[in-house]
Amino acid sequence: SQQGEEDPQALSIQEGENATMNCSYKTSINNLQWYRQNSGRGLVHLILIRSNEREKHSGRLRVTLDTSKKSSSLLITASRAADTASYFCATDSKAAGNKLTFGGGTRVLVKP
Amino acid sequence: NAGVTQTPKFQVLKTGQSMTLQCAQDMNHNSMYWYRQDPGMGLRLIYYSASEGTTDKGEVPNGYNVSRLNKREFSLRLESAAPSQTSVYFCASIPSGYYGYTFGSGTRLTVV
Repeated sequence: SQQGEEDPQALSIQEGENATMNCSYKTSINNLQWYRQNSGRGLVHLILIRSNEREKHSGRLRVTLDTSKKSSSLLITASRAADTASYFCATDSKAAGNKLTFGGGTRVLVKP
Repeated sequence: NAGVTQTPKFQVLKTGQSMTLQCAQDMNHNSMYWYRQDPGMGLRLIYYSASEGTTDKGEVPNGYNVSRLNKREFSLRLESAAPSQTSVYFCASIPSGYYGYTFGSGTRLTVV
């Protein structure tokens, strides 16, 4: 079963635009993480936000967490063609035995 | 290069054959994980090892066995491969505590 569900499933934008994707989850979490996966490659950890944090930044990435709504968003500002990838949210929760559970991902295409 | 190394990268098996997927990390991480990723889906946990000498089932353990050979190595064995096990397999590791996972580049397995 998937704890996190990303929305939208796919996103197509022009280079320079911002990309926003959302993640909803079902049970209380310890932390929420975002990963990027380029085609045919492994996942790369982008950012981790703890349950007591509301917002976190890393370079062009901004992550928010709303535990009351059980949702998170990932914003990529000033997108580049190299940002083309699938993005996954993953939650760490006691309900899942403190193991990471992944959503189905958002496929982002950044057109030059 | 520090990280998680998986072998082989590609494999084709006939139904009923057996094989072992190898994973090694050189970051002195305590916990190691095996996930599978099916088309259009997120990752599902097969087995994990919280520390050397321990292994536990994840979400989809049926048809698999694992061995935590030492702190560096965590192998996944398919005793009698089935077409339903056609997937991309990822190994990951973390140190103790809440951190982002480091993933290997994956093994693409096809069972015919």
